[in-house]
Formats: sequence, structure tokens, C-alpha cells
Amino acid sequence: DTGVSQNPRHKITKRGQNVTFRCDPISEHNRLYWYRQTLGQGPEFLTYFQNEAQLEKSRLLSDRFSAERPKGSFSTLEIQRTEQGDSAMYLCASSRRGPNNEQFFGPGTRLTVL
Amino acid sequence: AQRVTQPEKLLSVFKGAPVELKCNYSYSGSPELFWYVQYSRQRLQLLLRHISRESIKGFTADLNKGETSFHLKKPFAQEEDSAMYYCALTGLRDSNYQLIWGAGTKLIIKP
Repeated sequence: DTGVSQNPRHKITKRGQNVTFRCDPISEHNRLYWYRQTLGQGPEFLTYFQNEAQLEKSRLLSDRFSAERPKGSFSTLEIQRTEQGDSAMYLCASSRRGPNNEQFFGPGTRLTVL
Repeated sequence: AQRVTQPEKLLSVFKGAPVELKCNYSYSGSPELFWYVQYSRQRLQLLLRHISRESIKGFTADLNKGETSFHLKKPFAQEEDSAMYYCALTGLRDSNYQLIWGAGTKLIIKP
């Protein structure tokens, strides 16, 4: 499968713990996006990378959230001191450079904070 | 404010009937509009975009700038069309092309 992959697919953690998710984009895509989706809602933009540079962060992204894409390939999203409100599906997408190229989505990581 | 509104959480129609999924948007610049679909146990995937002006799986959508709408239509629904449908937009001049999403409409096609 050469699509976007995300690991783990599911994560259950206790409040206050740190969690880290990984996204592997399609190899030739230099743009990478993180979104969060809660039940009954559409995805919400969190952050965006072009190659290794993080170019945009949503105001939704509190300072407990950090994302990296160190070599311009895979990306990690870390949430520190998780809260119950962080429970959601975390989606990663990638696209080619250029105007309005299609974003290809991964299967998501479902986080449950107890 | 930039916003996408899908007024129907759920739409249920019989097989063979016409389908219209509504999408209204608010955007200060020039938007590009998309419809994404998520079939059961599958990932989000692009269905169509207004710039392409194409019909995919029998679905079409026309951008109406006067009414700020981008409704998705299909003349004869099929059972395999049952899925979640999301309308989304991005700014044609935005530098990051982040997508702004509606809440989605669950489409159920009854046999």
C-alpha cells in the first residue's frame, strides 16, 4: 500500500500521559497536514508542513501539542499531559506542491483519553 | 469568517431517487470547493472539486457564487453511494491550502 499510513491506529491513555502519533506520507508528497476530527464534526486543521518546515499552526493547537517533520518525510504529533477533551480522531494528509493539489488522507489514529 | 455549512446531518433516499446534498460556504476571497466522501471503514477520499468541472460516479456539483453554495447532486442514487459526505473549501490564494470542512452529511440509500 503506497498511500498515507498512520500509527498507531488506536491509542488509549490515561489523563496526564503523553502520546505520540506517526504519519508516513506518500513518498513524493512534500506537503503534510494534521487534522483533528471529533464525533459528528468534520476535520479541523491543526498544522501544516512543507518539507521539514512547519508553516502554519492553528489556534486550536495548544502548547501541549507539538508536531515535527525532521527530514521532510514522516511526521510526528505529540500531545503532552493529555486531557479528556483531546479524545478524537487525528488525521494526516499529504499532497504535492502546487496550487490546490488533492490531499490524500491516512486512516487516522483514534485517541481515547480516560 | 470562513465557514462551510452542511445543514443536513442525515439524508435518506430510496435507490433510484435523485439526491442533493447541500453545502453553503462563507469565504472572503476566492475559494476552491471540494466534496470528500468516506465509505464505511475506509479513509476520506476526494470525490470531486469545482475547478475540474467533472462528474464522478454520477455526481456533479456546481459552484454558485451568488448563493455561495456548492450542492452535490446525483440524478439516480445507488446503494453503493451510502457514505459520509463532506464539503470543504480552501482559498485559491492561501499559501498553505488548508481545508475548512463542513460537519458532514450521512447519506443512506434505501433499497
